[in-house]
Amino acid sequence: DGGITQSPKYLFRKEGQNVTLSCEQNLNHDAMYWYRQDPGQGLRLIYYSQIVNDFQKGDIAEGYSVSREKKESFPLTVTSAQKNPTAFYLCASSGLDSTQVYGYTFGSGTRLTVV
Amino acid sequence: AQSVTQLGSHVSVSEGALVLLRCNYSSSVPPYLFWYVQYPNQGLQLLLKYTTGATLVKGINGFEAEFKKSETSFHLTKPSAHMSDAAEYFCAVSDPNTDKLIFGTGTRLQVFP
Repeated sequence: DGGITQSPKYLFRKEGQNVTLSCEQNLNHDAMYWYRQDPGQGLRLIYYSQIVNDFQKGDIAEGYSVSREKKESFPLTVTSAQKNPTAFYLCASSGLDSTQVYGYTFGSGTRLTVV
Repeated sequence: AQSVTQLGSHVSVSEGALVLLRCNYSSSVPPYLFWYVQYPNQGLQLLLKYTTGATLVKGINGFEAEFKKSETSFHLTKPSAHMSDAAEYFCAVSDPNTDKLIFGTGTRLQVFP
């Protein structure tokens, strides 16, 4: 079955470390997204990519970086410049589904905690 | 710019009662509108969506929503709540030209026996 795989499910980061969150999709979707979720704030867009080798900043890109070298993959790096990285991170992709209807698909998330 | 407002961060209902979760949007172009449900430590599951056509949209688990352009609303309803409906619900809007999905802040639904 097609879908989005995020790994790891739980991640612990020490102060000053960079960590990379993985997101892989086999839906053949062109567009991919990273969202950050904090209690009471909903989901906020970090970065998005509409095509391979191209990506744009979302609303809260500071302290994060991404790459889009392959259509299937959109990894997110949380750098040491991100002062408050503890959050739940969700990856998504968008495109035509199996019934040729446009839609978004979400991964199951990665919970990042600073220790 | 597009935005979504969800009225009420917490809603509590009794099992069997009507569920009404409110969502208003702002968009400069005809929007695509979505409702998602999230269970603890999980991703988002699509409940229903409106793109074009019929304004009353039926989704999974007995939920439905009506797109009202004059009121810029897309409220989510279910006639009879079930304990398993307890979760967080997100309304979202997308611009068909940019594909970006903008979320509301979410409404946590509690269902009491």
